[in-house]
Order: sequence, then C-alpha cells, then structure tokens
Amino acid sequence: DAGITQSPRYKITETGRQVTLMCHQTWSHSYMFWYRQDLGHGLRLIYYSAAADITDKGEVPDGYVVSRSKTENFPLTLESATRSQTSVYFCASSESIHGLYEQYFGPGTRLTVT
Amino acid sequence: KNEVEQSPQNLTAQEGEFITINCSYSVGISALHWLQQHPGGGIVSLFMLSSGKKKHGRLIATINIQEKHSSLHITASHPRDSAVYICAVWGSGSRLTFGEGTQLTVNP
Repeated sequence: DAGITQSPRYKITETGRQVTLMCHQTWSHSYMFWYRQDLGHGLRLIYYSAAADITDKGEVPDGYVVSRSKTENFPLTLESATRSQTSVYFCASSESIHGLYEQYFGPGTRLTVT
Repeated sequence: KNEVEQSPQNLTAQEGEFITINCSYSVGISALHWLQQHPGGGIVSLFMLSSGKKKHGRLIATINIQEKHSSLHITASHPRDSAVYICAVWGSGSRLTFGEGTQLTVNP
C-alpha cells in the first residue's frame, strides 16, 4: 500500500534492551524524520535524513541511532532502552526540507520501557 | 518559555459554534503549519502558510508575520472536528518546532 507505515505499532520492552522501530515510505521522498511525542511537550525531532546514507541529529538524539541504507526505510534504534524513552514515536517524510512542503506522518509506535 | 505557544490548551464547544485556536511564536520563521491529530493518534497536515490566509472547507488559517501570531478558525463546528490541533513553525534551524497542541472537544 502507498504511504508511510511504522512497525510495530505497540511495543513493550525492558530497560537495557535494544529495540528497533521501523519506518517505510513508498513515495520516494528524500527527507525522513523521527519524532517523539510526550505529555507536556510538543513533538520533538530526534533525527532526520536528507537522503540515503545522510542523517543528522535533531533536538533530542541522545540514546538513539538511525540508519538509512535505502531511500524508503529509516529505522530508529534504541541501543539500551531507558524508562525516559517511553513515548509515542512518529516517523514522517517530505519531498523537501523547505518549510512550505508538507510532512506526511506515519501512524505512530507506542513504546513502553519497563 | 517555549518557542511556540498555543492557546487555549483545552477547548470545549457546542456543535455549530465558531472556534478559534491561537498560536504565537517567538522566532523568525519562513512557514507555519497547522496539523490535526485524530483521537486514534494519526497526524495530518491541514495548512502550510507563510503569509495571509488560507481556507479549506470550514477551516481557515491566518498568519500575521509582524505580530508572530497565527489563528486557526473552524466554522460551524461538528463533533467530528474533535481532535488535537497542533501549530508548528519552520524557523532557521531547518526543522519544524511544534506547540503542545490544543485539545478540542465538540459536543453534539
């Protein structure tokens, strides 16, 4: 199906475990983004990517790793999960980094770290 | 103080009422986005604007660059408009900075 998908939609993991959240888009958009959404905060940018093999840090990158070997995929890895990483994670994609280009959001992954 | 402030945080209205959600920002921007987050969590873009006013159906978005302020209006509100409305600005950091959102509930 066309669009942007995330998997899993829900994940419960234990402190210290590695977990990877997947994001896949079918539009061949150059730009992809990872955000986290927490109560009391707006969406905050974790990492973004301008193209395959090009990634850059956002506002809250600590504890996260990303890769982008293919244009359509942008996985986010928590190398050693902590309780503070309990959050809802959204992936998004866009044709351009210019402000007047729409960002298309995935459905979100709700991650709980126990 | 957040770079993007929305008001009110929560808003309850009766069906048919005219609704206004406000967004103020403190930095220079090149664009402002309004997004809607459905109760199920999905986020969709409603408007992107850099000046003036845009209209889509019952939704109207305005921006005043000099005053660093934007408003989202909903005319003839309906229960299906119940959602979180999020303002986000595109500043010099080449990324969107988001407000915390306004929870809107429209009662029948």
